[in-house]
Amino acid sequence: DIQMTQSPSSLSASIGDRVTITCRASQSISSYLNWYQQKPGKAPKFLIFAASSLQSGVPSRFTGSGSGTDFTLTITSLQREDFATYFCQQSYSTSLTFGGGTKVEIK
Amino acid sequence: EVQLLESGGGLVQPGGSLRLSCAASGFNFNNYAMNWVRQAPGKGLEWVSGISGSGDNTYYADSVKGRFTISRDNSKNTLCLQLNSLRSEDSAIYYCAKDSTRQPYGMDVWGQGTTVTVSS
Repeated sequence: DIQMTQSPSSLSASIGDRVTITCRASQSISSYLNWYQQKPGKAPKFLIFAASSLQSGVPSRFTGSGSGTDFTLTITSLQREDFATYFCQQSYSTSLTFGGGTKVEIK
Repeated sequence: EVQLLESGGGLVQPGGSLRLSCAASGFNFNNYAMNWVRQAPGKGLEWVSGISGSGDNTYYADSVKGRFTISRDNSKNTLCLQLNSLRSEDSAIYYCAKDSTRQPYGMDVWGQGTTVTVSS
């Protein structure tokens, strides 16, 4: 299986900050990388697909980039509603795998 | 409105079985792959299984292969997951998730989840 490693596992940030989360694949996955946001007690929400394409309705302050093995999710100007846990997920293999998650907390 | 409603979770003893269902509405069910994703308490997301839109192709995580079986009834817009030989580590919230394509790729709509607890 393809292993997905996210870093950091958690971070503290303030409203208005720029936040960057990294996801690394154990082998090249081209651009087969998706991002999700999950708030406590809720189901995940689909944010970004194909590494950099924004899902409909997702604010433009969320951007994704990368290809191959290294990917980033950036939130420009962090808003209160963005405090959540973020997961990457590869779809290069039909055995889908998620990263371990990055919890974004209020500083 | 696209909706997914899971049912069938509960408390089961180790070695036991359970059948989860997911009722889908608001979209052309047979046009999309479907997935089950689980989340143990306080842990991350784990993809469990996926099935193509036609139902011809099924996919499983190594951790459940040979114990879980995914299926779908496109005439009833229903997705199922049969869980056999359950272990304590299978305890989790199980989410039904609609894929964005005909094959497992990325999950754009999620249900609210159903909880499975494996304990004696």
